Amino acid sequence: QVQLVQSGAEVTKPGASVKVSCKASGYTFTNYYIHWVRQAPGQGLEWIGVIDPRGGSTVYAQKWQGRVTMTRDTSTSTVYMELSSLRSDDTAVFYCARAAAVSCFDPWGQGTLVTVSS
Amino acid sequence: EIVLTQSPGTLSLSPGERATLSCRASQSVSSIYLAWYQQKPGQAPRLLIYGASSRATGIPDRFSGSGSGADFTLTISRLEPEDFAVYYCQQHGHSPWTFGQGTKVEIK
Repeated sequence: QVQLVQSGAEVTKPGASVKVSCKASGYTFTNYYIHWVRQAPGQGLEWIGVIDPRGGSTVYAQKWQGRVTMTRDTSTSTVYMELSSLRSDDTAVFYCARAAAVSCFDPWGQGTLVTVSS
Repeated sequence: EIVLTQSPGTLSLSPGERATLSCRASQSVSSIYLAWYQQKPGQAPRLLIYGASSRATGIPDRFSGSGSGADFTLTISRLEPEDFAVYYCQQHGHSPWTFGQGTKVEIK
């Protein structure tokens, strides 16, 4: 079945970077986009950006430009999201989700909690 | 950016009652680009409705979506215990993709 499995929880310090992975299985990796969504504690869903695994092109939400980098490894069907210059208010659960072009998100990964604390 | 406003923020209902959730967009959204998701505590969101009115695979028929233009509705005809959760609408036709702030359906 189609599945997205994310890397485990991370604890990191302000100013550092974190890299979260999302491994896809059960479908042709390059046929679907992968989006990343942030959910701060007790808050709603916020779109961060998207990567096209076929060519690696990306689109980021304006808020995250300059701090986020999405990459992919087609040999392992894995997408990565790296966030830099972390602040304590970046603490959140980050989800990856699959989508066809201009389509809704299905399925989602299980989420990765990133805690930023000194 | 298309802003989605969901109402009410919280809906307090009893099992067996009907739930009506609203999602209003700041500009017209094509129905094919409007989705609804359900999220339970500690879980990832799950796709419920796509194309404003089509149920995703495995979604019970007590869930239905409707609407067009800038006004969309998710209806749960008879609430089951497992339906108490937070529901989000999303537009995925215009970048940046945006979500509503969510409606929490809680047990009264």
